[in-house]
Amino acid sequence: ETGVTQTPRHLVMGMTNKKSLKCEQHLGHNAMYWYKQSAKKPLELMFVYNFKEQTENNSVPSRFSPECPNSSHLFLHLHTLQPEDSALYLCASSQVRDYGYTFGSGTRLTVV
Amino acid sequence: AQTVTQSQPEMSVQEAETVTLSCTYDTSESDYYLFWYKQPPSRQMILVIRQEAYKQQNATENRFSVNFQKAAKSFSLKISDSQLGDAAMYFCAYRLGAGETSGSRLTFGEGTQLTVNP
Repeated sequence: ETGVTQTPRHLVMGMTNKKSLKCEQHLGHNAMYWYKQSAKKPLELMFVYNFKEQTENNSVPSRFSPECPNSSHLFLHLHTLQPEDSALYLCASSQVRDYGYTFGSGTRLTVV
Repeated sequence: AQTVTQSQPEMSVQEAETVTLSCTYDTSESDYYLFWYKQPPSRQMILVIRQEAYKQQNATENRFSVNFQKAAKSFSLKISDSQLGDAAMYFCAYRLGAGETSGSRLTFGEGTQLTVNP
């Protein structure tokens, strides 16, 4: 356990479903991130939150909707996904001006 | 934009031997950090080693060391006395200096899958 917890660990959803991924950290970090990891591709940064404010949206489709209610929790709301959205979704946290990232173990998402 | 390239999709090494993983990057910045992360089958990304660009001395962490060539924009990872537990996907990553408010993003390479043979 690294201090960053992601749930669920695995998720299978249909293209018309709505689901949410959850990330939680109690490391006192004030920045949180969502990354997408697809096979044979580099990790793709999706969203960055600094002090609960979204500071980066890396051209992510609107079917992915992030939410950061406080510095310890980060959600990724999913709706009307496509099969190509199947991937490992990783959450990470850090201090805003610190190079140390701590990653969770990810949610393996399969869209059918 | 900063890019990170790992030209070796797969590498293998015999247990107890030494292996070097390659990484190159492209940036116009002078203040940045470089990292090697390890991702075993458990999927958790684990920091192996980091290097500050302003430091000339190569970073070392036990059996892991880097060869940082700033002018060549090269950042290779050497694993000595390889162990079975070293088998994993290894990612090279870059981020701007921590003094930048927008410097928190990590840019990753494509990864190198390391196999350790007994």
